[in-house]
Amino acid sequence: DAGVTQSPTHLIKTRGQQVTLRCSPKSGHDTVSWYQQALGQEPQFIFQYYEEEERQRGNFPDRFSGHQFPNYSSELNVNALLLGDSALYLCASSWRQDVKLFFGSGTQLSVL
Amino acid sequence: DQQVKQNSPSLSVQEGRISILNCDYTNSMFDYFLWYKKYPAEGPTFLISISSIKDKNEDGRFTVFLNKSAKHLSLHIVPSQPGDSAVYFCAASAGTNKLIFGTGTLLAVQP
Repeated sequence: DAGVTQSPTHLIKTRGQQVTLRCSPKSGHDTVSWYQQALGQEPQFIFQYYEEEERQRGNFPDRFSGHQFPNYSSELNVNALLLGDSALYLCASSWRQDVKLFFGSGTQLSVL
Repeated sequence: DQQVKQNSPSLSVQEGRISILNCDYTNSMFDYFLWYKKYPAEGPTFLISISSIKDKNEDGRFTVFLNKSAKHLSLHIVPSQPGDSAVYFCAASAGTNKLIFGTGTLLAVQP
């Protein structure tokens, strides 16, 4: 039973570029949430997708957008990258609104 | 405004002894609390959770205690093992599965 998988594991971009991160949820899960964890900080909620729609959103600018596909996988897009976007981006999946989230290993994004 | 706080950035205990990690929260609407363990460059791993209608939940070596009146919860690990060394995050939710995380406590279990 595959857990939550994320790709790529590491990514280096320059300021102003755009990036797309990908996530496949745990088998049987239909809800995907994205979190940003800056170095030395706690994970911060970005947004959540269910039934291919954004259902909840945290305090992140519109440069952060996402998508969920019919197979429940999801993408996180960040436009006009800033140095401060450098962080570990975590994807978490769940069945509907089950509070117990399963996390992937994350994508480490470095913006130079 | 930090709604979930872990005031101890780090904790060091001897192998075999009890580890107690603490967490305080401010939002009285939180109705579910979780503890996650995280190794570097990995995602958080779920450990144990507790609903606000309970005051204790136990799973093997891990026990979580909730004191609603004090808005405080704690995670007890007995006995502590070197493999328990990691960052522990407390998290809370209020009616949804949007988790609010604390700042984490780095636990070091010394052999």
